[in-house]
Amino acid sequence: AQSVTQLGSHVSVSEGALVLLRCNYSSSVPPYLFWYVQYPNQGLQLLLKYTSAATLVKGINGFEAEFKKSETSFHLTKPSAHMSDAAEYFCALRGSQGNLIFGKGTKLSVKP
Amino acid sequence: GAVVSQHPSRVICKSGTSVKIECRSLDFQATTMFWYRQFPKQSLMLMATSNEGSKATYEQGVEKDKFLINHASLTLSTLTVTSAHPEDSSFYICSASRNSNMNTEAFFGQGTRLTVV
Repeated sequence: AQSVTQLGSHVSVSEGALVLLRCNYSSSVPPYLFWYVQYPNQGLQLLLKYTSAATLVKGINGFEAEFKKSETSFHLTKPSAHMSDAAEYFCALRGSQGNLIFGKGTKLSVKP
Repeated sequence: GAVVSQHPSRVICKSGTSVKIECRSLDFQATTMFWYRQFPKQSLMLMATSNEGSKATYEQGVEKDKFLINHASLTLSTLTVTSAHPEDSSFYICSASRNSNMNTEAFFGQGTRLTVV
């Protein structure tokens, strides 16, 4: 069965500090992985996606993620946090029906 | 990028009434759309897959007679919550993709906050 695990429901960093949001997946087939961001009472916006072309994926707003097959991980990073990065982040795996299988989400707080 | 529009963004209804939520793909045709439900402080759970011109496919545990899905055209899918009860209060989000390729981005609607009183 396919699944996504996000470690840490809440991460708090200072403005300018490194952001690291963890995501591990389980899949019996080559995975297609995505990171989405959700602001309060809004839909989801795609940050980046892994489609096997490159293991290091760069996304919008300075975010990037590295696919590590040996660790079944797809952690999201940003070198320097900004106040506007405060939001909920979801890691997702493409399911066999074309739907997305989501992790439980990680709420990122950024302190001034 | 492609846009998926969901309406209404917020709705409050009385217990026992029905509520219809619309999901439109504005600049592409979507033969398949997905409906998700998000409980407070939790992840998105797939409710059903909406297929244009055919019956929706519901996930286990989702009542098809309660959550009616109609995908009448290639740009519109509707979710109707029938005989709503307070436990149906939730955030509902739809998504659509340009095609069925596994690496294709899914575009999400803005979501609908349903409150049943």
